[in-house]
Amino acid sequence: GNSVTQMEGPVTLSEEAFLTINCTYTATGYPSLFWYVQYPGEGLQLLLKATKADDKGSNKGFEATYRKETTSFHLEKGSVQVSDSAVYFCALSGTGGFKTIFGAGTRLFVKA
Amino acid sequence: EADIYQTPRYLVIGTGKKITLECSQTMGHDKMYWYQQDPGMELHLIHYSYGVNSTEKGDLSSESTVSRIRTEHFPLTLESARPSHTSQYLCASSVDRAYNEKLFFGSGTQLSVL
Repeated sequence: GNSVTQMEGPVTLSEEAFLTINCTYTATGYPSLFWYVQYPGEGLQLLLKATKADDKGSNKGFEATYRKETTSFHLEKGSVQVSDSAVYFCALSGTGGFKTIFGAGTRLFVKA
Repeated sequence: EADIYQTPRYLVIGTGKKITLECSQTMGHDKMYWYQQDPGMELHLIHYSYGVNSTEKGDLSSESTVSRIRTEHFPLTLESARPSHTSQYLCASSVDRAYNEKLFFGSGTQLSVL
């Protein structure tokens, strides 16, 4: 079936470090891929998305490229800030149903 | 930004009480969802709706029930709360477009059952 696997956390980085959070997926057809972010005490909000192979989604310095050949959608940021501390969820949708499938979430801590 | 509201933000109640968690959206979205988020952060879909008078159970079995009498309103009810129901509950909505479904989330209700 369809699924999303993302790296386990927590991930702890110092400010200005490079961030990668790995995400791979299994899906039939051509899903859309998403990264959502959840700040402490809040609901999830969309961070970026890509709807077809080789598309790059970007927002707030974060990027992710839809790689169909490796079924991956890794999240990257060149220089993290303390304010980026949050839980990040990789997700996919559009694979024959209407329900979004989420990964387990990766918690990021950024130290000053 | 998202116009989806959940009340209350926090609720502490005793075992056996009946509770209703409210969720409203002002975006006119047809699709609405309830997720239960465990302490390990993972999201579990417990209910969803494709429109008025449409409700379905999600992937995780839940003792809660939902209703969708109006497009903007999707309340979740627990007839008799138990400590095992202690969790974060997140409501979401989306525009009905397959293959490109962006979800809008409320801020959540943190429920504690004593």
